[in-house]
Amino acid sequence: QVTLRESGPALVKPTQTLTLTCNFSGFSLTTRAMCVSWIRQPPGKALEWLARIDWDDDKYYSTSLRTRLTISRDTSKNQVVLTMTNMDPADTATYYCARTIYDDYAPRHDYWGQGTLVTVSS
Amino acid sequence: EIVLTQSPGTLSLSPGERATLSCRASQTMSSRYLHWYQQKPGQAPRLLIYGASRRANGIPDRFSGSGSGTDFTLTISSLEPEDFAVYYCQQYGSSPPQTFGQGTKVEIK
Repeated sequence: QVTLRESGPALVKPTQTLTLTCNFSGFSLTTRAMCVSWIRQPPGKALEWLARIDWDDDKYYSTSLRTRLTISRDTSKNQVVLTMTNMDPADTATYYCARTIYDDYAPRHDYWGQGTLVTVSS
Repeated sequence: EIVLTQSPGTLSLSPGERATLSCRASQTMSSRYLHWYQQKPGQAPRLLIYGASRRANGIPDRFSGSGSGTDFTLTISSLEPEDFAVYYCQQYGSSPPQTFGQGTKVEIK
């Protein structure tokens, strides 16, 4: 059974760094084709893909946010961590982590966490 | 960068009707790189269709996907009450690696 759960602060101040953790179970991030992605969704708006880390530790980032994002993993703990620097009120959103399968088809997110709402406000 | 444009923004239909949702890419892309998700209020998205036409595990066969090149379609053959939701298409590319469309809301008429 695959599960993912996001954790992190619900409130951050502008200019601070956000650190989110995704704890997952039911799969190994060292198995070929397994990846974990972060996706966010501002209230009432569309989904926005942020970053992905792959089974071979390759990392990919949103073009518009790449200077602010870092994704990493701890395979011994089944954790993926996303940091986002210089937070702004426009970064207020629900942040999801998702298992991403990358096989013969393009990466697709087949299991999702429940999401964590992060509000940026002073 | 491939931009995905979904239409219509909102689709108002009754249960039992057929829903046809469009996702248009700004340039030709492989159908293997186009996926569809469903999102209900307060819930995480759910993968429905991958590779433009393959149903994900557990997805009812009233959901189908088609298309190629720049035009892709998600069809719900007969709407069930639980199908009223927002639907997103997603593409995979090189830069940026992934993008989503802006979504189509299917609401009860």
